[in-house]
Amino acid sequence: GDSVTQMEGPVTLSEEAFLTINCTYTATGYPSLFWYVQYPGEGLQLLLKATKADDKGSNKGFEATYRKETTSFHLEKGSVQVSDSAVYFCALSDQWGNKLIFGTGTLLAVQP
Amino acid sequence: NAGVTQTPKFQVLKTGQSMTLQCAQDMNHEYMSWYRQDPGMGLRLIHYSVGAGITDQGEVPNGYNVSRSTTEDFPLRLLSAAPSQTSVYFCASSYDRGRYEQYFGPGTRLTVT
Repeated sequence: GDSVTQMEGPVTLSEEAFLTINCTYTATGYPSLFWYVQYPGEGLQLLLKATKADDKGSNKGFEATYRKETTSFHLEKGSVQVSDSAVYFCALSDQWGNKLIFGTGTLLAVQP
Repeated sequence: NAGVTQTPKFQVLKTGQSMTLQCAQDMNHEYMSWYRQDPGMGLRLIHYSVGAGITDQGEVPNGYNVSRSTTEDFPLRLLSAAPSQTSVYFCASSYDRGRYEQYFGPGTRLTVT
């Protein structure tokens, strides 16, 4: 079945460092891909999304490109801030759009 | 708009007790869903609904019931609580199925002793 694999954390970075969180997927058909972020004590919020191959999603300095050839959707940011500390989830919607399938989440801790 | 609201925020149950987790949204979204979040496992889909009167099972439906009598409300019922149901539960809604942005509630932390 469909699945999402993302790098395990925690990822600890200093402020202004470059961030990459890897995400790969297995899916039937042409899923949409998402990154959600969860700040401490809160629900998830959509960070960015891409709906077809080669699409680039971007928001708040974060970017991810839908790579069908490598079945990947890696999250990147050029310069992280302390306020980016959160758990990041990669997810895909199944081919019928009925279900979101999540990765296990990656905890990012940014130190000043 | 309040968005997606969930009650209660915290709950402790004894094994065998039943309860209902409430979820409501005021965005007129057709699609609603319930997830549970467990450490190291991400979020797993319990049940979902594509509109009033229509529900279906997700990845981990056993021990849970849902109904969707109105567009706004999507309660989750635990029939006979078990320690394995200790988790954080999130309700989410979206305009139309999972391809669109899902809006999540703040969560309910449930402990079953």
